[in-house]
Amino acid sequence: DIVMTQSPDSLAVSLGERATINCKSSQSVLYSSNNKNYLAWYQQKPGQPPKLLIYWASTRESGVPDRFSGSGSGTDFTLTISSLQAEDVAVYYCQQYYSTLLFTFGPGTKVDIK
Amino acid sequence: QITLKESGPTLVKPTQTLTLTCTFSGFSLSTSGVGVGWIRQPPGKALEWLALIYWDDDKRYSPSLKSRLTITKDTSKNQVVLTMTNMDPVDTATYYCAHSPPAIFGVVMGGTGYFDYWGQGTLVTVSS
Repeated sequence: DIVMTQSPDSLAVSLGERATINCKSSQSVLYSSNNKNYLAWYQQKPGQPPKLLIYWASTRESGVPDRFSGSGSGTDFTLTISSLQAEDVAVYYCQQYYSTLLFTFGPGTKVDIK
Repeated sequence: QITLKESGPTLVKPTQTLTLTCTFSGFSLSTSGVGVGWIRQPPGKALEWLALIYWDDDKRYSPSLKSRLTITKDTSKNQVVLTMTNMDPVDTATYYCAHSPPAIFGVVMGGTGYFDYWGQGTLVTVSS
């Protein structure tokens, strides 16, 4: 099984400042035949379902503000919010879909305003 | 516009079987590469993927729950059904269904495994 870990568990960032969330997979999620990283990021606000932000590790979903960006390859990935807005307060999850036997989510990172 | 909605009981007793239905619109589960998955979230905890069914009836299950889960689709009704047997209080969670989009791999349209549209979820409580 591919295990996903995230760091930190939570972080508080001032409005307008950068927020960085890390995600690590226990094995590579880079598929060599197509050079794609099978990694997605989601945002979940209280009482709401998750919302897809990023897929293929760095492709922003349509309608997602460009302050959200994804980077990384292989086993180490980062979600960056370049300028935190009040509406970005949420829990953020990474998910690998490389292993079709088990699509695993990370434990989540809670983002708050400092 | 893609929408999904979960339906089913809000309360089940331990050992009972849970049956959840996902009714969707805006896409067809007969389209190459498309999938519908189920994900759950215990109160205050993280997301847990349960199962996914693809357009070609390929089915994937969480290994830890595989013996208890069955996922089926009714393309004509635009529905996906998940059954989970032998329910336990630890299965108390919000259950979501979600659309998994296709992707082009070379010249072939295939399934992915990430989820771009989600239902609002349904809270299922397991208690006697």
